[in-house]
Amino acid sequence: KAGVTQTPRYLIKTRGQQVTLSCSPISGHRSVSWYQQTPGQGLQFLFEYFSETQRNKGNFPGRFSGRQFSNSRSEMNVSTLELGDSALYLCASSLNNIGSPLHFGNGTRLTVT
Amino acid sequence: DQQVKQNSPSLSVQEGRISILNCDYTNSMFDYFLWYKKYPAEGPTFLISISSIKDKNEDGRFTVFLNKSAKHLSLHIVPSQPGDSAVYFCAATGGYQKVTFGTGTKLQVIP
Repeated sequence: KAGVTQTPRYLIKTRGQQVTLSCSPISGHRSVSWYQQTPGQGLQFLFEYFSETQRNKGNFPGRFSGRQFSNSRSEMNVSTLELGDSALYLCASSLNNIGSPLHFGNGTRLTVT
Repeated sequence: DQQVKQNSPSLSVQEGRISILNCDYTNSMFDYFLWYKKYPAEGPTFLISISSIKDKNEDGRFTVFLNKSAKHLSLHIVPSQPGDSAVYFCAATGGYQKVTFGTGTKLQVIP
């Protein structure tokens, strides 16, 4: 079974630009979550989608948005990039059961200059 | 507000000995707790979980203990192996897939 696939792996952008990251979940997984990882901050929850609806949202500004398609693939978008947005962005998929573990992709490393 | 805390950023253990990683949480609504392992340049991988109705769960060399009254959980790795060297994240959830992670503990197992 193929794992979670995230593209691209690396991205360099300039302040003020916007970026779109893509995530393909494990087949059969309808829940997709996004996390931001920065040094010393662990994994910060961005949002979670299920059946094309945002079901949970973390404490990030509105510049961070996402969506999920009917095939469960998901994208997240960051507009008006700031230097502090430089991070590893991780996507995870899971079954829709409480306590079901998240299965992570290898992430997209975003650098904002 | 860090609801899941891993107060030890790093831990070094000799190969063959026990590794104990600790985690504290503040939200009493959490009812599932999970541990993940992360190697550099890879996403975290699930290790073991425990529901709040249990106080212990074991899977091979990995055992997780939960003390609800103290809001504390720990991961024991016995015996520790060099391949266990990684960053370990404690995580907790109280609802559908909104999982809160700790800041991680970097484990180094010395051969």
